[in-house]
Amino acid sequence: DTGVSQDPRHKITKRGQNVTFRCDPISEHNRLYWYRQTLGQGPEFLTYFQNEAQLEKSRLLSDRFSAERPKGSFSTLEIQRTEQGDSAMYLCASSLAGGHTEAFFGQGTRLTVV
Amino acid sequence: KNEVEQSPQNLTAQEGEFITINCSYSVGISALHWLQQHPGGGIVSLFMLSSGKKKHGRLIATINIQEKHSSLHITASHPRDSAVYICAVGGNYGGSQGNLIFGKGTKLSVKP
Repeated sequence: DTGVSQDPRHKITKRGQNVTFRCDPISEHNRLYWYRQTLGQGPEFLTYFQNEAQLEKSRLLSDRFSAERPKGSFSTLEIQRTEQGDSAMYLCASSLAGGHTEAFFGQGTRLTVV
Repeated sequence: KNEVEQSPQNLTAQEGEFITINCSYSVGISALHWLQQHPGGGIVSLFMLSSGKKKHGRLIATINIQEKHSSLHITASHPRDSAVYICAVGGNYGGSQGNLIFGKGTKLSVKP
């Protein structure tokens, strides 16, 4: 297992289109997090899963955003009807549950909405 | 006011210089992370600490829980250290567990 992987690395889409990103966490990690990072800012929390359960969603996650982790392994983040303001780096991280443990990050998916 | 503040925002150093990046936070935490982000976006975890000091190679991280402050030091800096360094804190926030609050990062450029 080489770490957290995200696909695609880059996505350019037209405004109004739907996009879906995938994250494959480290295999034994039961927690998975999604973050969004805009230019010049630190990442901001979007949502996290423990196994297949989505335990928390940020208010940043509007109803156009949906995340799933159907089998408790990989996760997808879908953005419907994309807007230019959705342009950002979407980062995925995973960790073990139980207290506070180190998170490992993927390379991110850079979304550009034109 | 952000819950995690870093200083400086930008830092330019000459190769070989000793570098310090500071992080102050205002929330109760269970751990603090120092992360490195290179152009292209990937984030690498450098340290996770909840007390005292940790050292890895030329990098040293310290934390003072009472003062809610942490520092990241780089000794004998090198151009390959050029990156954005991000401080993030983790803990229980209103029942949430494990998600992180990030600083805006410190952009370090080390000149040869």
